[in-house]
Amino acid sequence: AQRVTQPEKLLSVFKGAPVELKCNYSYSGSPELFWYVQYSRQRLQLLLRHISRESIKGFTADLNKGETSFHLKKPFAQEEDSAMYYCALSPINFNKFYFGSGTKLNVKP
Amino acid sequence: GAGVSQTPSNKVTEKGKYVELRCDPISGHTALYWYRQSLGQGPEFLIYFQGTGAADDSGLPNDRFFAVRPEGSVSTLKIQRTERGDSAVYLCASSLTGGVQGRTEAFFGQGTRLTVV
Repeated sequence: AQRVTQPEKLLSVFKGAPVELKCNYSYSGSPELFWYVQYSRQRLQLLLRHISRESIKGFTADLNKGETSFHLKKPFAQEEDSAMYYCALSPINFNKFYFGSGTKLNVKP
Repeated sequence: GAGVSQTPSNKVTEKGKYVELRCDPISGHTALYWYRQSLGQGPEFLIYFQGTGAADDSGLPNDRFFAVRPEGSVSTLKIQRTERGDSAVYLCASSLTGGVQGRTEAFFGQGTRLTVV
């Protein structure tokens, strides 16, 4: 069965510190992995997807098939990065997402 | 409109009542999704429409839940005989296409917060 695990419910870091939000998944095929972000009082929005290999707002995520992980990283956190972050998996036919339970990132000044 | 619109934003209903939640997707988006998000959890898939048809309704928890999209645009999620456990935020999302040929970004609405008392 498909599963996305985000082990940390809350992650607090100081501004300028590196941040890594963990995501592990289980899936029998070759899924597509995403990170979604929800800022305070805003809607859920796509941050990045593994196939695009982009850096968005300084965030990157590398798909590690051996470890079945898709951790989100940023070398220097900013206060405006404070938000809920959800890791999501989409099966090959891309008609649904399986979301993790989310990690709340709090960047302190 | 500029984005996915969901109405109402909040709905309080009594146990056993019937409710309808509406989703207006982005114009031209053929794929539409409903998700349910309980407190402290990530969104959970309910149903996916491609055009007017429900291509995947495997996430609907039981036969009290039903969704329609009669003209391939607006969708309504219907819940009969509501229970307190149905209390959650119901999210709608749309994308330009879906399926194998898709993989385009899904845009989410603000959600409808349903409270069953």
